[in-house]
Amino acid sequence: EDKVVQSPLSLVVHEGDTVTLNCSYEVTNFRSLLWYKQEKKAPTFLFMLTSSGIEKKSGRLSSILDKKELFSILNITATQTGDSAVYLCAVPETSGTYKYIFGTGTRLKVLA
Amino acid sequence: DGGITQSPKYLFRKEGQNVTLSCEQNLNHDAMYWYRQDPGQGLRLIYYSQIVNDFQKGDIAEGYSVSREKKESFPLTVTSAQKNPTAFYLCASSVFPGGETQYFGPGTRLLVL
Repeated sequence: EDKVVQSPLSLVVHEGDTVTLNCSYEVTNFRSLLWYKQEKKAPTFLFMLTSSGIEKKSGRLSSILDKKELFSILNITATQTGDSAVYLCAVPETSGTYKYIFGTGTRLKVLA
Repeated sequence: DGGITQSPKYLFRKEGQNVTLSCEQNLNHDAMYWYRQDPGQGLRLIYYSQIVNDFQKGDIAEGYSVSREKKESFPLTVTSAQKNPTAFYLCASSVFPGGETQYFGPGTRLLVL
């Protein structure tokens, strides 16, 4: 059965800390992995990863994919209170159904 | 502005009542999706549609129904058969099914009176 597992489930850090969020997956015919940030409402897109070993970067956030070991990490450096959110990982299923499989998310709280 | 709109923002349902959640997109996307989000459970797929006049059940379709008569619109009806409808409902779309980024609407929170 296809699945996406995120860890940790929740995390509390102080401003300025660096955090690493994990997403492992098992899916047939892997094509891409997506990271989203969800504050109070709609998830907003962060990164789409398709190639192993190539880092995607946006400001203090970066992400990398390891297709051999079937996981991705999302790094946030110099965290700010505005980074507090649920971070979701998703993988499109392409075994004929074209669904997206989401992990349960990591809830990050950054304290001032 | 291109995007996805959902209405209403909050919806209250009485026992035995059917309610319909609206989802509209002007992104010209072929694929649309409905998710349910409960605390600690992530997003679970209710229904999805790859193209107009076609839709498929997701993982938790029981008690829900959808239609896709227009490319822009994918309304979700929560029927009286759905015994635990209290949740946050998210609509999403993608350019084509499964291989592109999904864009989400702002969500509808459904509460049972």
